[in-house]
Amino acid sequence: GENVEQHPSTLSVQEGDSAVIKCTYSDSASNYFPWYKQELGKRPQLIIDIRSNVGEKKDQRIAVTLNKTAKHFSLHITETQPEDSAVYFCAASRENRDDKIIFGKGTRLHILP
Amino acid sequence: DAGVTQSPTHLIKTRGQHVTLRCSPISGHKSVSWYQQVLGQGPQFIFQYYEKEERGRGNFPDRFSARQFPNYSSELNVNALLLGDSALYLCASSYLDRAGGYTFGSGTRLTVV
Repeated sequence: GENVEQHPSTLSVQEGDSAVIKCTYSDSASNYFPWYKQELGKRPQLIIDIRSNVGEKKDQRIAVTLNKTAKHFSLHITETQPEDSAVYFCAASRENRDDKIIFGKGTRLHILP
Repeated sequence: DAGVTQSPTHLIKTRGQHVTLRCSPISGHKSVSWYQQVLGQGPQFIFQYYEKEERGRGNFPDRFSARQFPNYSSELNVNALLLGDSALYLCASSYLDRAGGYTFGSGTRLTVV
């Protein structure tokens, strides 16, 4: 079945440094890759997404890259700030087909002062 | 424009009981999906409905069922509750027939005692 692997499970970085979270997916029909930030007790919030016709997308301090051939996609957060501390989930889905979102297991990001 | 609304926000039930969770999608969204998020894990896909028809089902027992109404709202029903059903239940809506991503509701936190 479809699967999304996410690494690392926990990540601690010094404030101001960069953080990178990596994911791989198994379903070659996946065409939409959202990233969610979830704070304790709250719903997942979309922070950035990328579709399969694009290799890279950037929004201020956040960027996502996609390698369709290798089925890899990554989240890059630069100049990390304390408010970036949260759990981040990558996901893959077949947008416009069945909308079933397969989530990774999450990365708990700690920003150290 | 209202986002995805879920009710109730919190619920406590006893083992063996039945529960109904409700979701109203964003206006214009015809697809509703349900996810279960157990503490410390990523959301797991339960069901997806589009135009009142089930389009996808995750690996959940038959105790879980859902339906979608003509106004595109949806209900998730769980029978014979087990302690392990305690989780945050999330609803997500989308267009399905065109790009637009997914929007999650705030979720219903179900505690089974």
